[in-house]
Amino acid sequence: QSALTQPASVSGSPGQSITISCTGTSSDVGGYDYVSWYQQYPGKAPKLILYAVTKRPSGVSIRFSGSKSGNTASLTISGLQAEDEADYYCCSYAGSSSLFGGGTKLTVL
Amino acid sequence: QVQLVESGGGVVQPGGSLRLSCAASGFTFSAYPMHWVRQAPGKGLEWVALFSYDGTVQDCADSVRGRFTISRDTAKNTFYLQMNSLRADDTAIYYCARAFDWLLPYFDYWGQGTLVTVSS
Repeated sequence: QSALTQPASVSGSPGQSITISCTGTSSDVGGYDYVSWYQQYPGKAPKLILYAVTKRPSGVSIRFSGSKSGNTASLTISGLQAEDEADYYCCSYAGSSSLFGGGTKLTVL
Repeated sequence: QVQLVESGGGVVQPGGSLRLSCAASGFTFSAYPMHWVRQAPGKGLEWVALFSYDGTVQDCADSVRGRFTISRDTAKNTFYLQMNSLRADDTAIYYCARAFDWLLPYFDYWGQGTLVTVSS
């Protein structure tokens, strides 16, 4: 099982929107609507920000949204803020196991 | 409040063994699936293992299958990862994480992690 594919880095200015893609196969991302996204700050544990492709846990900003088309899931962050600068990981169900993406470093310019 | 506290990490020689523990509190331990996720230094997250809430499903990633086993002690509210035949590429921070939906990768609480270093 190979890791899901994410861009290594993305950047944006405060107030802008950015999108991070997460590409898998029909055996994981494309086969199920069971994708989650995590935000991780350096030295900290990850935090769940989206699950079931589009759902936000309680307390997560509405600026975070998700979508999926075919084998690719996407995380969009609108109205970028300095505090959004972090690493982001997608994760997909893959039939009793789970697969993470390689991670994307978001830089807020 | 929900807390997950890992312990048992350390330095071990290649081929050696370690047992990690994850002590849970603040929730009904036997009602939730538990997972182990690791992160090599400077690298991304890697799913390692799953223990379903009822114990009927236990699975590991291909990279550790046959070397790592998972278990839990509901009386102690503790989840374990027994790691044998350790290799240098097992060096990582190991997190335990609670999931809230059957076998799905929705990890709503994480521990602080415990560092495992495999080196001679």
